[in-house]
This record gives sequence, C-alpha cells and structure tokens, in this order.
Amino acid sequence: DQQVKQNSPSLSVQEGRISILNCDYTNSMFDYFLWYKKYPAEGPTFLISISSIKDKNEDGRFTVFLNKSAKHLSLHIVPSQPGDSAVYFCAASNFNAGGTSYGKLTFGQGTILTVHP
Amino acid sequence: DAGVIQSPRHEVTEMGQEVTLRCKPISGHDYLFWYRQTMMRGLELLIYFNNNVPIDDSGMPEDRFSAKMPNASFSTLKIQPSEPRDSAVYFCASSLRGHGGGEGYTFGSGTRLTVV
Repeated sequence: DQQVKQNSPSLSVQEGRISILNCDYTNSMFDYFLWYKKYPAEGPTFLISISSIKDKNEDGRFTVFLNKSAKHLSLHIVPSQPGDSAVYFCAASNFNAGGTSYGKLTFGQGTILTVHP
Repeated sequence: DAGVIQSPRHEVTEMGQEVTLRCKPISGHDYLFWYRQTMMRGLELLIYFNNNVPIDDSGMPEDRFSAKMPNASFSTLKIQPSEPRDSAVYFCASSLRGHGGGEGYTFGSGTRLTVV
C-alpha cells in the first residue's frame, strides 16, 4: 500500500520557467513532509521540509506548499535551472507518533525533472 | 566528516550466492536506515536502528534478508541466498534524532546490486 504517491514519473520544463512537482499522501497521521533531490549515482540529498502546522515553507528558489485537507503537497522551483535536473522524492513521517513510527520516512516513487536550456 | 560511506558501490553476483552490503554512518548519528530503490516502488524502508538496536524491520522482504549493527559505526545488510528480483540500489542513511524535525537523513551513495 503506497502511502505516499508521486503520480507524475517525469516532468520537462524550460530553463527560467516554474517547475511544479506534486505529491499525494493517504495517511492522515503524517505530520512532517520533506523533499529530497537525487542525481545519478548519488544518494538522495535533503532539500526542504514542512511541518503540518504550516501551509508554506520557502528557501530561496524552492517553496513547498501543503494542503492538508486534500492530503497534497507540491514543490515549486522558480526559476528552474538546468542544474535542477534530477529525481525528486517526496517523503512523509508521523514525527510525533513515537514508537516505531518515530524517525521513519515513507517515500514516494520519485519524479524525474528535466530542465532544458 | 566524510558522510555516510557504503561499500561496495557495485556488486554483481550469481543467484543463490550470499551478498553483504556495508555501511558506516556519520559519527554521532544515532539512527541508521536501510532503504532499497526500485523503479516500481521508489525508496522502500527495509529496517532501521536507533542506538544500534533494530526498531522496525517490517520492511524486510523475507527471511533471506538480515541486518545487523554491532556498533555505532558499522552496519551490514545481508541477503542469503540472493535472487534476481533482489537487484536494486540499496541505500544506507543516518540521522540525528530520527529525521531531526525536518533536517532529514544523510544518505550514502548506494550499492547497486545485480543478481544474475
């Protein structure tokens, strides 16, 4: 049962434009959400996160939006650059649950972003 | 710090052979995670440790998979016997205080396993 879903396997964007990556989740107990970026032959690297008490978090060109009622989050990259081309993973956790859920991140399948010059 | 170090980077083995993947977490991190990446399922959590103790191994696919963390600086993931469907990239990650309230994990570069 896939609790975190990224329904778009790939996205292609022109340099300078906005990239919007989407993620849906089913577990209403998730209270922390993260985005990771992965280049080929490397491990994923942490990009940005958001707590469920917020609906937006911004870090430079990257903004994450959370819509709890829709169980949906999105990552906006503005402006997109060729160096942003990578696989982007959405992840979620039940941070406040304690027990075996604490610290455990559930990841989506990933979206391949290609930014064309 | 050199980050999370995994070895080997690539492993090709024949079906039925034992495979051992190794991981050295970041010094001082108290959580260690083993993930497997496949095209179909993305990143799946196999098992994780807190202070060297296994906390949740519900993601371990079968009894053929086992993981140990004998000390704070070393962990192994073993597959015995290996099967072609085990072919994937295996990632180790470590963190301080779970995912640190939004700081995230630090991943290693992964081991690409191919079972023929």
